[in-house]
Amino acid sequence: EADIYQTPRYLVIGTGKKITLECSQTMGHDKMYWYQQDPGMELHLIHYSYGVNSTEKGDLSSESTVSRIRTEHFPLTLESARPSHTSQYLCASSSHEQYFGPGTRLTVT
Amino acid sequence: GQNIDQPTEMTATEGAIVQINCTYQTSGFNGLFWYQQHAGEAPTFLSYNVLDGLEEKGRFSSFLSRSKGYSYLLLKELQMKDSASYLCAVRVVNDYKLSFGAGTTVTVRA
Repeated sequence: EADIYQTPRYLVIGTGKKITLECSQTMGHDKMYWYQQDPGMELHLIHYSYGVNSTEKGDLSSESTVSRIRTEHFPLTLESARPSHTSQYLCASSSHEQYFGPGTRLTVT
Repeated sequence: GQNIDQPTEMTATEGAIVQINCTYQTSGFNGLFWYQQHAGEAPTFLSYNVLDGLEEKGRFSSFLSRSKGYSYLLLKELQMKDSASYLCAVRVVNDYKLSFGAGTTVTVRA
């Protein structure tokens, strides 16, 4: 069983608010990822990290930012949420195959 | 990126067999993964192929032909709980990211 956690699981927030989505893993994986996925649609990689103090943008342009100060923690921040940010955000980590967290379903009103 | 192509939808009957094909075009191929994703949930890892041939794991098997850029996931003795989206993902050398296909939604009918 993979040990990767995301909080909150659900978030409804107003436009303009700053939000941070948390992701933590207890497997000691160096590699971590953030994906965005709309219902019934494909996964899009928005950020990834191959180790502490290393972050890169993914294939899909995103207004979010990430940080990797500790191996186990990879938070994603939106400085000013907009309705277009409404989506599901999935965090993953890997040493070989990727393990996914349960996701955060974000709704911006 | 990698061009990954898989059918959008498939329907099969409980107890039957379904084969989900995945074709890819990439340079520096370094492995193909299959994931299962139930509606509203996160993907879960099913199988990994990096060499040609068949990998079997219970009711699920995955096949790879690197020369053809082709893989399939075979689901045997289908159960209702197998109704889900199945994602094909490719990795290339010197990179750990996965490129995911759009997924194949499998519906199992009684």
